[in-house]
Parts: sequence; structure tokens; C-alpha cells
Amino acid sequence: AQKITQTQPGMFVQEKEAVTLDCTYDTSDQSYGLFWYKQPSSGEMIFLIYQGSYDEQNATEGRYSLNFQKARKSANLVISASQLGDSAMYFCAMRVISGGYNKLIFGAGTRLAVHP
Amino acid sequence: GAVVSQHPSRVICKSGTSVKIECRSLDFQATTMFWYRQFPKKSLMLMATSNEGSKATYEQGVEKDKFLINHASLTLSTLTVTSAHPEDSSFYICSARVRQGNQPQHFGDGTRLSIL
Repeated sequence: AQKITQTQPGMFVQEKEAVTLDCTYDTSDQSYGLFWYKQPSSGEMIFLIYQGSYDEQNATEGRYSLNFQKARKSANLVISASQLGDSAMYFCAMRVISGGYNKLIFGAGTRLAVHP
Repeated sequence: GAVVSQHPSRVICKSGTSVKIECRSLDFQATTMFWYRQFPKKSLMLMATSNEGSKATYEQGVEKDKFLINHASLTLSTLTVTSAHPEDSSFYICSARVRQGNQPQHFGDGTRLSIL
């Protein structure tokens, strides 16, 4: 079964510190994509970073990097130099093909609180 | 680029009312759009995949007659919650994907629906 697991319901970090949000996935597909989205309290979903299953390099986007460990089926998000504005829900998602369509399945999310 | 606009952002209405939510891709064409539902402090649950010019594909357990989806053009999909009841109160959010490659889904800002 295709599944995304985020085991940390909540995390907190001190401002300017780095934090790692965990994500593991399960799929039998050879080709898949992994995404991280941020959802502030206002509700919108903000795309952060993408990692393709065939990408050899870990994805990076500014302060965000994705620690992709294919053999372990993990795709952890690392946020460096945390800022107060990083406080939000973070969702890991996997693109799967089902019924002929690309779909996203989401993990349960991790609520990150950044403390001053 | 890749902006998705969702309207309205908030709806409060009486039980029995039908409510229409619009999802527009502003600067790209989207043959496929997605509708999600999110309960408080929960993850996003895919309701249906909306396909331009054809019928929507609904996920298991989602009532087609309750949640009517129309994707009349490459930039507009609508979700109509028919004869809404208090249990339909939720956060509804749409997304669209640029056709080519491994592009992420881009989300609208969501609609908070409250049925009294």
C-alpha cells in the first residue's frame, strides 16, 4: 500500500536553530515524487521542495533541504536558521499514479513551533 | 507563476443551502484540478480529481451527488456542495498542476464552509 508517515505530531525549535521534520514513505513504484508543503494558520498550502525518486542529489531550496534516503524510504525536511515565521503545519506528500491519474497522498502533518 | 485562486474564502449559510466554490488557475492551464477536504487539525483528504471536459473521478466514500464538480475550462473548476448540512462544515481546498514534468500541485487559499 502507498502511504506517507509523519511520526512527529509536534516539534519545537529555538529561533536560528536547525530542525528536521521526519517523513517516511511506502510505495512499490519505481518512479515517484516527494513534496513538502507548509500550511500556516491561515490555511493556504505553500509548496516548499520536491525530490524525484531518480534524483541523485538531495534537493535544496534556500533554507530548506530534503534529506533523501532511498533505501530507508525516508525524505526528511531540514529547515536551517529557523525563523518565527516558520511556525506552521508541515505536510509531506507523495505523488502516486492511481486510476490513471497523478495524485498526492499526504502524511498526517507535523506542527512546528519556533520559539524566540 | 503558477497561481491558483479560490473563491470564496469563507462561507456561512443555513442548512439546506447549496454552496458553489470556484477554483481558477490564473497564469497557466490546468487540465486536471484536485479537490480536498480538511478537518480541523487533520491532513488533507482527496475528494475528487477534476478533469477538463469530462466527468470528475471521485475517491471512495465521496458522494458524487453531494459534491458536484464541473471543470468547464482549462482554468476553472467548481465544487458545489448540494443541500449542505452541518456535517459538511469543513475546510475545502483545491489545487492544480502544470501539465508537464514533475511540477508540484499549486493550491488555492481554501474555503472555510460553516453550515448552521
